[in-house]
Amino acid sequence: QKEVEQNSGPLSVPEGAIASLNCTYSDRGSQSFFWYRQYSGKSPELIMFIYSNGDKEDGRFTAQLNKASQYVSLLIRDSQPSDSATYLCAVPPRDNYGQNFVFGPGTRLSVLP
Amino acid sequence: IAGITQAPTSQILAAGRRMTLRCTQDMRHNAMYWYRQDLGLGLRLIHYSNTAGTTGKGEVPDGYSVSRANTDDFPLTLASAVPSQTSVYFCASSDSKGGGLDEQFFGPGTRLTVL
Repeated sequence: QKEVEQNSGPLSVPEGAIASLNCTYSDRGSQSFFWYRQYSGKSPELIMFIYSNGDKEDGRFTAQLNKASQYVSLLIRDSQPSDSATYLCAVPPRDNYGQNFVFGPGTRLSVLP
Repeated sequence: IAGITQAPTSQILAAGRRMTLRCTQDMRHNAMYWYRQDLGLGLRLIHYSNTAGTTGKGEVPDGYSVSRANTDDFPLTLASAVPSQTSVYFCASSDSKGGGLDEQFFGPGTRLTVL
């Protein structure tokens, strides 16, 4: 059974700081990783995905992947109060369809003005 | 507006009653999913469908059934609701071709309370 773990938080950072969200996964064969953001009372929405070792940047967001350590992270630069949400790490199946898409429990981020 | 709709938005249901949660997408995605989200447990897959006419069981299928008569609709039925089925239910879809790069799009959710 594939497992995805995240620190549930809450993680509190001051406005303008860098927020670092971490995720570890158990399936060494996993190839790609998704980060979803979920505002309170809303549905998850995709922020970005990564499938190569190293960093992937998209605006204020940077995903970092280290397959050897089975670790993926999301950095949010210049954090804003509007970034306050729960961030879900997700690992899709390697070769099947989405029935094995596994979500972590999520980390709740609070950006303090 | 393209996307996924769910109905009802919320529902309070007496234990033992039958309930169907509706989900419709207009993106012509082949794959659809039902998740439940509970505090501290994250999103857990109940049932999925890779294409119209086929369905499969996810991590927590007991007490739930689904059907996929066409591409757009994927209803979730609770045959005899129990309080442990109190949760927020999300329907999702993806244009799934396998390979692990398929984004899932989520509906707005249905908040269900079983008393």
